[in-house]
Amino acid sequence: AQTVTQSQPEMSVQEAETVTLSCTYDTSESDYYLFWYKQPPSRQMILVIRQEAYKQQNATENRFSVNFQKAAKSFSLKISDSQLGDAAMYFCAYSRFGNEKLTFGTGTRLTIIP
Amino acid sequence: NAGVTQTPKFQVLKTGQSMTLQCAQDMNHEYMSWYRQDPGMGLRLIHYSVGAGITDQGEVPNGYNVSRSTTEDFPLRLLSAAPSQTSVYFCASSRTGGTYNEQFFGPGTRLTVL
Repeated sequence: AQTVTQSQPEMSVQEAETVTLSCTYDTSESDYYLFWYKQPPSRQMILVIRQEAYKQQNATENRFSVNFQKAAKSFSLKISDSQLGDAAMYFCAYSRFGNEKLTFGTGTRLTIIP
Repeated sequence: NAGVTQTPKFQVLKTGQSMTLQCAQDMNHEYMSWYRQDPGMGLRLIHYSVGAGITDQGEVPNGYNVSRSTTEDFPLRLLSAAPSQTSVYFCASSRTGGTYNEQFFGPGTRLTVL
């Protein structure tokens, strides 16, 4: 079975600084999808960024980017120019087929310090 | 479009009571699923459906029943609630086919079993 591990239960960063959240996963598949979801206090799950395993180029969405290391099974999220609205729980997730059966990590709570 | 809706938002049950958590989507999505979120454990898949009349078990199916009589609705039934089922429940939906389709999450239902 696939597993997703987030080893940082909590992180904090000064506003406007950069922070990196870590995620490792375990799978025997060569094709799969990885995701970062944001869950603010409203509880809504919001997709931040996704990465297809067959793509070597790291995904980027505005201030959010990933460092995808397939051989190391590592998938970290970098948030640049942190803003107060970035404060949330962040979940790393894996899916074999892209839109089904998501396996989530335990989450990292990110605090932004004004 | 209303997207994915869940009712109720909050519910308190006594041990042994039964109830149904409602989930509906108006995007004509084939795939629907239920997750539970517990502190420190991320989201875990309970049941999922790839279309009307087709359901299957996820990682933590015990104590829950589902059915899919229409494309729009995917209710989750607790036949005899237990304190271990205290959790936040999320419904999600997506299209199927192609290489990738984003999953859309509902706002969640917080369930407390006394």
